Amino acid sequence: TQLLEQSPQFLSIQEGENLTVYCNSSSVFSSLQWYRQEPGEGPVLLVTVVTGGEVKKLKRLTFQFGDARKDSSLHITAAQPGDTGLYLCAGFTSGTYKYIFGTGTRLKVLA
Amino acid sequence: NAGVTQTPKFQVLKTGQSMTLQCAQDMNHNSMYWYRQDPGMGLRLIYYSASEGTTDKGEVPNGYNVSRLNKREFSLRLESAAPSQTSVYFCASSEVHRPQAPEAFFGQGTRLTVV
Repeated sequence: TQLLEQSPQFLSIQEGENLTVYCNSSSVFSSLQWYRQEPGEGPVLLVTVVTGGEVKKLKRLTFQFGDARKDSSLHITAAQPGDTGLYLCAGFTSGTYKYIFGTGTRLKVLA
Repeated sequence: NAGVTQTPKFQVLKTGQSMTLQCAQDMNHNSMYWYRQDPGMGLRLIYYSASEGTTDKGEVPNGYNVSRLNKREFSLRLESAAPSQTSVYFCASSEVHRPQAPEAFFGQGTRLTVV
């Protein structure tokens, strides 16, 4: 069974602080995605990382895929209240057609 | 653009009742998925359909059945609802036959309470 563990589970920080969310697995994935979910909505894709060691930046968000393609991290610089939400990582394995989601990190950024 | 549409949005069932959650996508995607989301558990895969005519079990299939009615529609049925099935249910679709890792598009969810 493929599992994705995220840490921390909850994070409450002040506006302007930096934070890192981790997504770890014992399984290798073809790619890893990060989604953000707002209350009452479905998750929406932020980024997909495909190559081991790959780093992608999306404005203040930096995503990294581990060299062994088993883990990933999301770093937010100078967090803003608009970053508040549930962040989910999802592993995808070619040929299985399945997305396995992590346990989620609920972020609250206080003004 | 509708994307992925789920009905109903809210439902309350009594223990033992049955119901079907409907999902339709208008993006011509091959693959569709049903997930449940419980507090602190992220999203757990119930069933998925890689392509029209196929369905497979996910991580938590017990107590559920699915039907891939056609390429657009994928329904989830609870034959005899139990309180443990109280959850938010999400349908998703994607075009997994593309070589690059595909984006999964989600509906807005169905909030189901079983009393």
